[in-house]
Amino acid sequence: DADVTQTPRNRITKTGKRIMLECSQTKGHDRMYWYRQDPGLGLRLIYYSFDVKDINKGEISDGYSVSRQAQAKFSLSLESAIPNQTALYFCATSDFETSGKETQYFGPGTRLLVL
Amino acid sequence: SQQGEEDPQALSIQEGENATMNCSYKTSINNLQWYRQNSGRGLVHLILIRSNEREKHSGRLRVTLDTSKKSSSLLITASRAADTASYFCAKGGATNKLIFGTGTLLAVQP
Repeated sequence: DADVTQTPRNRITKTGKRIMLECSQTKGHDRMYWYRQDPGLGLRLIYYSFDVKDINKGEISDGYSVSRQAQAKFSLSLESAIPNQTALYFCATSDFETSGKETQYFGPGTRLLVL
Repeated sequence: SQQGEEDPQALSIQEGENATMNCSYKTSINNLQWYRQNSGRGLVHLILIRSNEREKHSGRLRVTLDTSKKSSSLLITASRAADTASYFCAKGGATNKLIFGTGTLLAVQP
């Protein structure tokens, strides 16, 4: 979805390096999410943010940190990358509706390889 | 784990046949959503069914929800080669986060 962009699309890094993955959206949504996808494990939630001043840990936050710089930007950092953080990373956004429905819109993903 | 199970893990059918994928979950839900993922790309929302609904249609898609059995199914009718993708169910709970299943890989042979 072109409304949600992620940079870089691919990244190779070495163990111990700090890296940042960036996500931007033009959908005007308040809510943003970071997921990782590993083969056979589906998507797992790393962090999420319901507005600029709100940051919440997801299912697997250890080894990661995030920053919500603006409504449209949500970045994910790996403080000291390790090989088992090799995965496909997705950013997503959503706009809360009072009925409780919530559809998420995904970016194209960042493929990360940690050597 | 809060993740439910999807089955089958993989499904191969011929073009024109119907494809059925199932999703089970463990905790109560507000809604259940189905997403599609083409290889290596982002997920795309297909359809949402609320906890008080039993069946929903969208084009060639039909979703059912049985809250007593904590299960849902996605039926794709008259499948096409372009339907080849992974399909994920996602459970929407009271916290408004989504919990994704492990996915079903569908291959539609032309």
